[in-house]
Amino acid sequence: EAQVTQNPRYLITVTGKKLTVTCSQNMNHEYMSWYRQDPGLGLRQIYYSMNVEVTDKGDVPEGYKVSRKEKRNFPLILESPSPNQTSLYFCASSLFSGDSPLHFGNGTRLTVT
Amino acid sequence: DAKTTQPNSMESNEEEPVHLPCNHSTISGTDYIHWYRQLPSQGPEYVIHGLTSNVNNRMASLAIAEDRKSSTLILHRATLRDAAVYYCILLLWANAGKSTFGDGTTLTVKP
Repeated sequence: EAQVTQNPRYLITVTGKKLTVTCSQNMNHEYMSWYRQDPGLGLRQIYYSMNVEVTDKGDVPEGYKVSRKEKRNFPLILESPSPNQTSLYFCASSLFSGDSPLHFGNGTRLTVT
Repeated sequence: DAKTTQPNSMESNEEEPVHLPCNHSTISGTDYIHWYRQLPSQGPEYVIHGLTSNVNNRMASLAIAEDRKSSTLILHRATLRDAAVYYCILLLWANAGKSTFGDGTTLTVKP
C-alpha cells in the first residue's frame, strides 16, 4: 500500500531534550516536506526537499533541522525543543511536479513541557 | 509570496451541491491549484488539482477562472462524510518546492 509513515504518533518531551520525528514513504517520491499545524494558523511549511541531499527552508524553519540521505526518509530533528514547538506535525511526499498530489502522513502530536 | 484566501466556514444541507471558493490573485503561470480536505485527527487528503482547465474526478469538480485568480471546488451532492476543513493551496514548483496553504474552510453539512 502506498503510504507516508510518521513515527511516533504522539510524543511528550521536556524542554531541551533532542528528538527526531521520522518520516518514510514507499512511493519513490522525489519531493518531501514537513508542516506544522497550530490552531487558527493552518498548515505552515517547515522544510522541504526536492531530492536526496537537497533541502530548503519553508516559512517556519527556526528551531528545526532536516536531512535527506535516502530518497524514502526525511526525518525532522528538534535539537533543543521548546514549548512553542508544541504542535501537530505532518510529513508529505509527492513526485516533483505540480501535476502530482501531495500524500500526507497521519501526523505526530508533539508536546514540549 | 503567492497565497490563497478562503472563507472561514460554510454550511450546506445534505445531498445539495456545495461551492467552496478560493482566491489566489497573485498566482503565477506555473502554479498548480490543489485542494485537500482534513478530517479531525487525520492528515490532509487529496481532493483534486488543476492548472488552467476545469477538472472533474470521482470526488469533486474544480472550476478555475479564466484569469486563474480564483477557483471553486464543487461537491455535487454533499454527504455528512464531506464535513471537513477544505484547503486550497498553490504548489509553487517554479519556486523550487514551496507550498502555501490558506487557512481553510470548515464545511458543515446538515442532515
